[in-house]
Parts: sequence; structure tokens; C-alpha cells
Amino acid sequence: DSGVTQTPKHLITATGQRVTLRCSPRSGDLSVYWYQQSLDQGLQFLIHYYNGEERAKGNILERFSAQQFPDLHSELNLSSLELGDSALYFCASSEGQLSNTGELFFGEGSRLTVL
Amino acid sequence: QQPVQSPQAVILREGEDAVINCSSSKALYSVHWYRQKHGEAPVFLMILLKGGEQKGHEKISASFNEKKQQSSLYLTASQLSYSGTYFCGTELVNDYKLSFGAGTTVTVRA
Repeated sequence: DSGVTQTPKHLITATGQRVTLRCSPRSGDLSVYWYQQSLDQGLQFLIHYYNGEERAKGNILERFSAQQFPDLHSELNLSSLELGDSALYFCASSEGQLSNTGELFFGEGSRLTVL
Repeated sequence: QQPVQSPQAVILREGEDAVINCSSSKALYSVHWYRQKHGEAPVFLMILLKGGEQKGHEKISASFNEKKQQSSLYLTASQLSYSGTYFCGTELVNDYKLSFGAGTTVTVRA
């Protein structure tokens, strides 16, 4: 158990819908990262928040948005869903920012299926 | 910019060695290695920092060639538990994001 909690674990929805994925980082961790992993694919970086502020953005679609709240939990919002958005979405947390602290702790992921 | 990993896949027998390579076209600040077993979340193996510092807590070694922007992960005397997909992640200077390669699938057979 990494200490990172992601909900829901599984989600099935239809094209055109909107969903929200939630991530609670490990206690004390200020950084939250979101990654997308499609079937048998690598980990695509989406976005990084540190202590409530956006720090880095990857190739995140305009239909996707995220935020980190004052209690440090984060939400990833996916709207106007398409079949290609079906993937495993991982949240990871770290104490500080990457090299300063090294290890990212990954949650179990939220598996999104768009039908 | 995603790093490039090679090989894509490798099959080993227990006790054999393997090397996984990771390269970047841009100057790196650090290289991170993770292993993901099927159906599980990625787990941290090691970080290699510019300047030579290494942090890790597994019996797997790695190197970082700063001049060539390349890193290699060495699986020595492989065990069945080494099976999984290995990802290298690269961090550029002041970039605040960790970009992962496509992964190398390692299968260790008895």
C-alpha cells in the first residue's frame, strides 16, 4: 500500500459524458502528478501540482482539467469523453518536487472505460 | 520529450543478466527507474542525479552518463521477481515533470 488513494477504482461511462477522478496523496506529500496509461502503453504525463499550484503540464487535452485543493487532494476532470480516453489513470505523490525527494508513490489507478 | 528505451522486451532465465537502456535528446537533470508488474502500480527503483548521486533501495544498479544523456539499468543474477515492465523517467532542468519512456518488458523464466 503506497498510501495514495484513488477513487473510483473502476468507472464505465458513455461517450460525451464527464467524469471526475479523485486522488488523496500520502500524508505530508505536497506534490501530486497525474498520468494516463492506455492499454499496453507507457505512462503519459498529464499534469503536476505542488502545494496547490500547477507546476508542469504535459500533453493534456483541453477537455481535461485538474486542480489541487487546500487539503492537498487532487481531482482530474475529463469531459466530452471519447472512446480513446479509455485508460488507466494514475495519481502519484511525493513529498517535494522530483529530484529533491526522488520517489513518486503511485496509487492503484482509476480504470476508465468509455463505451 | 519522452526518453527512448531499449530493448522493448527481453526474456531471461533465472540467474542471467540484462541491461536496459534509456536515452534522451535533451540535457537531463535526473533519471528515474520504475518497475510495474501486471495489473499493479509502478514502483520506484532508483533515481540518478546529475553529478553522480544515486538514491535507491533495491538490489538493482544503474548508471547515468551525463555527457551522452543516457542511463542504463543493470539486472544482475535475475530472479523470477524481476519480471515486469521497467520504465525510465527523465527530468529536465527546472522542468518539474517526469516523462516516461515506452517501457521494457522483462520476463524471467525458471
